[in-house]
Amino acid sequence: SYVLTQPPSVSVAPGKTARITCGGNNIGSKSVHWYQQKPGQAPVLVIYYDSDRPSGIPERFSGSNSGNTATLTISRVEAGDEADYYCQVWDSSSDPHVVFGGGTKLTVL
Amino acid sequence: QLQLQESGPGLVKPSETLSLTCTVSGGSISSSSYYWGWIRQPPGKGLEWIGNIYYSGSTYYNPSLKSRVTISVDTSKNQFSLKLSSVTAADTAVYYCARQSVVVVPAAVDYWGQGTLVTVSS
Repeated sequence: SYVLTQPPSVSVAPGKTARITCGGNNIGSKSVHWYQQKPGQAPVLVIYYDSDRPSGIPERFSGSNSGNTATLTISRVEAGDEADYYCQVWDSSSDPHVVFGGGTKLTVL
Repeated sequence: QLQLQESGPGLVKPSETLSLTCTVSGGSISSSSYYWGWIRQPPGKGLEWIGNIYYSGSTYYNPSLKSRVTISVDTSKNQFSLKLSSVTAADTAVYYCARQSVVVVPAAVDYWGQGTLVTVSS
């Protein structure tokens, strides 16, 4: 089964850039989607198809995907960006299914 | 504005079957552009995808749960449902219903319900 690996936590100072990685075997060949989840709330889609932003998501959120690593980049981090972030792909194996990464807690110092 | 609302018992006994329904409003479940699915999150843990269904009835399931999961759709009521059999305490979680866009294969989840906590306990 396909596995997505995320760092459990990332810390960043306000105004700086946060990078959250999502590792997987040849993940660059898959489409990666990213979600933000704040405590007590449902997740929100922030990046889809590697680098596209849904309407209403600030331009500070961007994504990239190549090789074995996909990256969610948050520029000019704000206190309100503190949340859990999850990456997700579709595993088109013999038993196709959705795979989520384990999640990364972003702490704004 | 699309809305998804989960409904069902908040407490299920061990070995019994968990049953939830998701009612979709503000859009048609019969759209050819989406799958409709279930995702759960145990307290303090990450997201786990359970499965999804197309309006035609075509389904995909998480291989680790496949033997216990059935997802069905009722287009006349604009609803879809989840049944998870032989539950244990490990199935205690917040259960979300969700809409997943599809282009060739299911892609991003762009709408989520608010989630409903289901506790498995005697």
